[in-house]
Amino acid sequence: GQQVMQIPQYQHVQEGEDFTTYCNSSTTLSNIQWYKQRPGGHPVFLIQLVKSGEVKKQKRLTFQFGEAKKNSSLHITATQTTDVGTYFCAGTNFGNEKLTFGTGTRLTIIP
Amino acid sequence: DTGVSQDPRHKITKRGQNVTFRCDPISEHNRLYWYRQTLGQGPEFLTYFQNEAQLEKSRLLSDRFSAERPKGSFSTLEIQRTEQGDSAMYLCASSLFASSEPHEQFFGPGTRLTVL
Repeated sequence: GQQVMQIPQYQHVQEGEDFTTYCNSSTTLSNIQWYKQRPGGHPVFLIQLVKSGEVKKQKRLTFQFGEAKKNSSLHITATQTTDVGTYFCAGTNFGNEKLTFGTGTRLTIIP
Repeated sequence: DTGVSQDPRHKITKRGQNVTFRCDPISEHNRLYWYRQTLGQGPEFLTYFQNEAQLEKSRLLSDRFSAERPKGSFSTLEIQRTEQGDSAMYLCASSLFASSEPHEQFFGPGTRLTVL
């Protein structure tokens, strides 16, 4: 079955440093979504990418979808304490609405 | 507040007992999903509905698990003869499906199940 892996599993950064998490799927995806889950909270939708090579920005967050639609990345510039949480990518296959979540990257910020 | 509510928020039960969870999605959403999440892992898909029809069920879901959405609004997830391995957070999500492309899912706060 489809597997979605993320690296790194954990990332500790000083406040103000940049952060990147990478997402890799074992199969080609029709689209990919990113979610953020704060400690003790539930996943909250951030963005969806559909097109090969697509890049989207939300303030300090930049999302990319690979040309082969098998990988994606999330980059945060100048991290803030509010960025703390676990970031999940989640992909769907063509003709299937089921979201397969990645393993997640847990970000902690050192003030 | 995403608008998806789940009840109860916490459930402690003894092994072998049956439990039922309820999810109330955002009112205009036609799709409803159930996921299970264990500590340090991403949500794992269990099943989903479009209106009252159950469209897909994970192969990982044993016969002890059953879900319903009888009127296309709220949904229930029942686990029969609970086992310690069922201990997890059970998340419900809903979305508005209006075209061929998946849409963002809005998650509820989850029901944390502990099986003793």
